[in-house]
Amino acid sequence: GAVVSQHPSRVICKSGTSVKIECRSLDFQATTMFWYRQFPKQSLMLMATSNEGSKATYEQGVEKDKFLINHASLTLSTLTVTSAHPEDSSFYICSAREIAQGTEAFFGQGTRLTVV
Amino acid sequence: GEDVEQSLFLSVREGDSSVINCTYTDSSSTYLYWYKQEPGAGLQLLTYIFSNMDMKQDQRLTVLLNKKDKHLSLRIADTQTGDSAIYFCAEIYNQGGKLIFGQGTELSVKP
Repeated sequence: GAVVSQHPSRVICKSGTSVKIECRSLDFQATTMFWYRQFPKQSLMLMATSNEGSKATYEQGVEKDKFLINHASLTLSTLTVTSAHPEDSSFYICSAREIAQGTEAFFGQGTRLTVV
Repeated sequence: GEDVEQSLFLSVREGDSSVINCTYTDSSSTYLYWYKQEPGAGLQLLTYIFSNMDMKQDQRLTVLLNKKDKHLSLRIADTQTGDSAIYFCAEIYNQGGKLIFGQGTELSVKP
């Protein structure tokens, strides 16, 4: 299947700093990428839909100024957690859909963010 | 609104079959998916089924879809210890591309 690479896999940062997470589709082009957040032992909650060349669509309750999304190309979307706080500690996962296929969503390996 | 529900835990013995169940609410979903997540890892797509199908088989995996009852199941034949993981079902919501996930079923396989 198609490969989605997410980087970094783990990051520890201090409160008040910002962290950028990258999501790349390695062997296909994706006009749409999705960012999810997962708390321990819980399901994935969609945070936002990232569209190449346009503004991201955020789900209700997700602060767009805190979770900045940039989808500058057909193979790269970034999520920046700004002014991180301990409550932002979580597992963040991206997924991407091929333009042509549209049926399967492939997921990155996830990023474990710990804010201390 | 959209909602996908799964039972939280399933425990089976190695070699037995596992059946993980899922119910969903969006009758317009075109595709339904099963993902596997191992500890600390991302999601691995196991299989998916198109909404006009009743069944799909892929090696040890069998997916059954009952559209009338909005019920989806994943059967794993000859379950192995390496199958121990959390399994998520998901539906495409409103054909907009976003996936709505169930809570995940933790499968424990005992030797």
